[in-house]
Amino acid sequence: GAVVSQHPSRVICKSGTSVKIECRSLDFQATTMFWYRQFPKQSLMLMATSNEGSKATYEQGVEKDKFLINHASLTLSTLTVTSAHPEDSSFYICSAQRAGSSDEQYFGPGTRLTVT
Amino acid sequence: AQTVTQSQPEMSVQEAETVTLSCTYDTSESNYYLFWYKQPPSRQMILVIRQEAYKQQNATENRFSVNFQKAAKSFSLKISDSQLGDTAMYFCATVYGGATNKLIFGTGTLLAVQP
Repeated sequence: GAVVSQHPSRVICKSGTSVKIECRSLDFQATTMFWYRQFPKQSLMLMATSNEGSKATYEQGVEKDKFLINHASLTLSTLTVTSAHPEDSSFYICSAQRAGSSDEQYFGPGTRLTVT
Repeated sequence: AQTVTQSQPEMSVQEAETVTLSCTYDTSESNYYLFWYKQPPSRQMILVIRQEAYKQQNATENRFSVNFQKAAKSFSLKISDSQLGDTAMYFCATVYGGATNKLIFGTGTLLAVQP
């Protein structure tokens, strides 16, 4: 159990367009989901915390108007990169925390975004 | 502020041997968890082992064990009988943010298991 999927796994978009990434918990309900960004050979950096039915909480330095997060159900959170630019190219990873759990997060396989 | 430090960017070990990865941390949380995650070339993050800070006994999971020194704020990972499949980036992490349970990661250690 505790499988998290992300779609798409890879996406290439043109500068100025928007792209949506989906994160789904397949076999459990997730009250909280997290979005991370990972640059090559670097660690994961938390971008935002997403709670079902409420607004996301963004980490310092993350533009909320650029990275739109929606957590519409207990199994789905989406990250939309708006007006993407080449510097937004990165690996985006989501994780989900099981409802009622106090610690463990389950990670999705990640999405490679390339902005040309 | 919470910090996690991994001072070994890269390590190498021979197959079947034992290797220890270092991690130190600082936290203002009164009760907290510590984790080691593995990220193989597939980039999928995999939980290796976790330790609850209030437990004195070191966590073990098969070939993986930790040496948790709470006073020293040290949390090292020992991999016994290393296997080729253990080749990966290893991240130490701790939870912060109170009830929010946000994770902060160290910079990672790239472990290469040599045949």
